[in-house]
Amino acid sequence: EIVLTQSPGTLSLSPGERATLSCRASQSVSSSYLTWYQQKPGQAPRLLIYGASSRATGIPDRFSGSGSGTDFILTISRLEPEDFAVYYCHQYGSSLWTFGQGTKVEIK
Amino acid sequence: EVQLVESGGGLVQPGGSLRLSCAASGFTFRTYWMSWVRQAPGKGLEWVANINQDGSEKYYVDSVEGRFTISRDNAENSLYLQMNSLRAEDTAMYYCVRVKWVSNAFDIWGQGTMVTVSS
Repeated sequence: EIVLTQSPGTLSLSPGERATLSCRASQSVSSSYLTWYQQKPGQAPRLLIYGASSRATGIPDRFSGSGSGTDFILTISRLEPEDFAVYYCHQYGSSLWTFGQGTKVEIK
Repeated sequence: EVQLVESGGGLVQPGGSLRLSCAASGFTFRTYWMSWVRQAPGKGLEWVANINQDGSEKYYVDSVEGRFTISRDNAENSLYLQMNSLRAEDTAMYYCVRVKWVSNAFDIWGQGTMVTVSS
């Protein structure tokens, strides 16, 4: 089973700042199967990025994903008030799906 | 509008059973893999089970293998999760999720149904 470790656990930033979230896998992950989600309190998660770098429908271009192998990054170029939330990375491999533990982006 | 609506959650005693349902609409249900994902209160997301388009392939997280059964009825555009021998650690919000073609990302989520296992 591939374990995904996200860092940091909490990121305290101000609106307008840049956010860089990390997702590290215990073994190599196909970039085609690396995904990022956003979850706000009381809501279901929302798909942000799939295939490591492709934005889902309706996702603003301030969100971008990159990486390969075992190291992946989600970048939010300029934080908007609605971006403060929890972000999860997710991977598929060998008929199993696993999530990272999440990174909370909070207002500083 | 593409939509997934879960039902069937509730309070159940340890060792009991519950069947969750998910009604799909707005897309061709029979052409998608489907999944259940859960989230314990205040915790992260955990994939639970997946099923392919015709129900011939099913996969489970180790912690529910042998206790939970995922199934689907393509004629009724519905997904199910039969949960037996429930434990306190199964307490969570259960989400019905559509699997996006090729990427295996979870692209459409229901609003969730809460399952509480407690005496």
